Amino acid sequence: DQQVKQNSPSLSVQEGRISILNCDYTNSMFDYFLWYKKYPAEGPTFLISISSIKDKNEDGRFTVFLNKSAKHLSLHIVPSQPGDSAVYFCAALYSGAGSYQLTFGKGTKLSVIP
Amino acid sequence: GAGVSQSPRYKVAKRGQDVALRCDPISGHVSLFWYQQALGQGPEFLTYFQNEAQLDKSGLPSDRFFAERPEGSVSTLKIQRTQQEDSAVYLCASSKGDFNSYEQYFGPGTRLTVT
Repeated sequence: DQQVKQNSPSLSVQEGRISILNCDYTNSMFDYFLWYKKYPAEGPTFLISISSIKDKNEDGRFTVFLNKSAKHLSLHIVPSQPGDSAVYFCAALYSGAGSYQLTFGKGTKLSVIP
Repeated sequence: GAGVSQSPRYKVAKRGQDVALRCDPISGHVSLFWYQQALGQGPEFLTYFQNEAQLDKSGLPSDRFFAERPEGSVSTLKIQRTQQEDSAVYLCASSKGDFNSYEQYFGPGTRLTVT
């Protein structure tokens, strides 16, 4: 039973345009969400996070939106650059569990075309 | 500063051999996590340490898997009597352990191949 779902395995976007990566979750106890970017043969790199008390968090070209009622979050990258081509993972945690383990989706491979 | 480091980066083991994977977390990070990533999947939680205490080992798939962090810094994940289904990338992550900061920082991983 997947608690964090990224339903698009891949996405192609033209350089300079907006990339939108989506993520859905089923566990209503999750209260903190993170996005990671992963290049081949490297570990995931933290990008941006959002607490469930917010609905938006922005950092440079990256913005994460959270819709708690829909149990949905999205990552917007504007403008997209070729160096953004990577696999993006959505992750969630429940801070009250005492373990702080992250639950990941399967990832979306983003290709930014020059 | 230095990030999370892991060694070895690649390990080939014959079925039945024991392996030990090492993780050096970011200096001063209280929390340390191990994850297993199979091909085409997201990382899956194995175990969690706060300093030297192993507070959650619910993700360890069998009693062949054992992790330790005796002095609250370096950690070792040991897999005994390896089997083919253990082939995966093993990721270590560390975090500050602050109540308001849950970001985890990952190492490059160890790719284990069991033949």
